[in-house]
Amino acid sequence: QKEVEQNSGPLSVPEGAIASLNCTYSDRGSQSFFWYRQYSGKSPELIMSIYSNGDKEDGRFTAQLNKASQYVSLLIRDSQPSDSATYLCAVRAGANSKLTFGKGITLSVRP
Amino acid sequence: DGGITQSPKYLFRKEGQNVTLSCEQNLNHDAMYWYRQDPGQGLRLIYYSQIVNDFQKGDIAEGYSVSREKKESFPLTVTSAQKNPTAFYLCASSIISTGELFFGEGSRLTVL
Repeated sequence: QKEVEQNSGPLSVPEGAIASLNCTYSDRGSQSFFWYRQYSGKSPELIMSIYSNGDKEDGRFTAQLNKASQYVSLLIRDSQPSDSATYLCAVRAGANSKLTFGKGITLSVRP
Repeated sequence: DGGITQSPKYLFRKEGQNVTLSCEQNLNHDAMYWYRQDPGQGLRLIYYSQIVNDFQKGDIAEGYSVSREKKESFPLTVTSAQKNPTAFYLCASSIISTGELFFGEGSRLTVL
């Protein structure tokens, strides 16, 4: 059974701080990794996708992938109250495989 | 505007009734998916389809059925056999090569 684990949370950070969200996965053959943001009562929206080891930056968001240690993380710099949401990590084993989602971690950014 | 349209957004059903949730996409994506989300839980895959007239069971397919007669459409029927159908249902589509899922706004089903 492929598993994707996220910190249980919730995570609370002050406005302007860096929020660090972590995710580990069990399938060593996983190839594609995604972070989704979900506001309360809404559907998930894709924030970042990462496919190779290292960092990928997009604005205030940085995804970090370490396949040897089987973890992927999301850093949110200069956190804003509008970043308050649940963040879902998802992992895909191969090109025709389905995604496996973690249970998500709720982030609260305090003004 | 390209996107995924789910309907209805809210649905109430009496026990013993089947209901069908609609999902239409105009993104020209080959793959479509149905997920279920319960409070405090992640997304659980019900069914998915990568090509017209073909679909596969996900992790929790019991009590559900789907069809894929057109590339754009992937309706989900919640049957009376589903023991705990009250949930938030999410339809998604993707280009198979990237795996990036794009979601509709969801349908919230409540069984009375």
